[in-house]
Amino acid sequence: GENVEQHPSTLSVQEGDSAVIKCTYSDSASNYFPWYKQELGKRPQLIIDIRSNVGEKKDQRIAVTLNKTAKHFSLHITETQPEDSAVYFCAASLIQGGSEKLVFGKGTKLTVNP
Amino acid sequence: GAVVSQHPSWVICKSGTSVKIECRSLDFQATTMFWYRQFPKQSLMLMATSNEGSKATYEQGVEKDKFLINHASLTLSTLTVTSAHPEDSSFYICSARGPRGGTSYEQYFGPGTRLTVT
Repeated sequence: GENVEQHPSTLSVQEGDSAVIKCTYSDSASNYFPWYKQELGKRPQLIIDIRSNVGEKKDQRIAVTLNKTAKHFSLHITETQPEDSAVYFCAASLIQGGSEKLVFGKGTKLTVNP
Repeated sequence: GAVVSQHPSWVICKSGTSVKIECRSLDFQATTMFWYRQFPKQSLMLMATSNEGSKATYEQGVEKDKFLINHASLTLSTLTVTSAHPEDSSFYICSARGPRGGTSYEQYFGPGTRLTVT
């Protein structure tokens, strides 16, 4: 089955700096890679996603890159702000038993210090 | 768009009782709904996948007789925790996926239900 590794588990940056979170996956058949932001006690919110036919996608301060050969994808947040502080989860799609599902990484707690 | 609601947001019940949690997609038809469990400071663990009109598919290690899932319509799925015990205390989150914008990949999460079993 799919295994998603996420690093680092915690990340602390100064406001205005960039933050990078990396994930690797094991199943070469995975073709959809979303990133979710979860604030304490709240629901995970989809912030950006990328499909296997694209190498990079950007949405304002957030970007995701995908290297299918290396089975590696990363989240990049530029000009970080205190409100970016949250736990970020990467995920990779998995088709199992005719059903599509997501396998999540363990999460990265990002703290942006003012 | 893509709003998913969950009810109740929190519930406290006594050991041995059953609790039902509802998950609704408010503005789209969810062909598939997922139920996750999340322990404090941990990731989302998929419990089961629910397709409208068919039986749920449970992940390995999840007791289907304890966690009853019903997906009776394209906008509603329910999770019933039967004979709850303190170790069932957790944050339960549903997500819904449906055809939107020509794709069927995106999952949108409900706000979660915090279950405490005393």
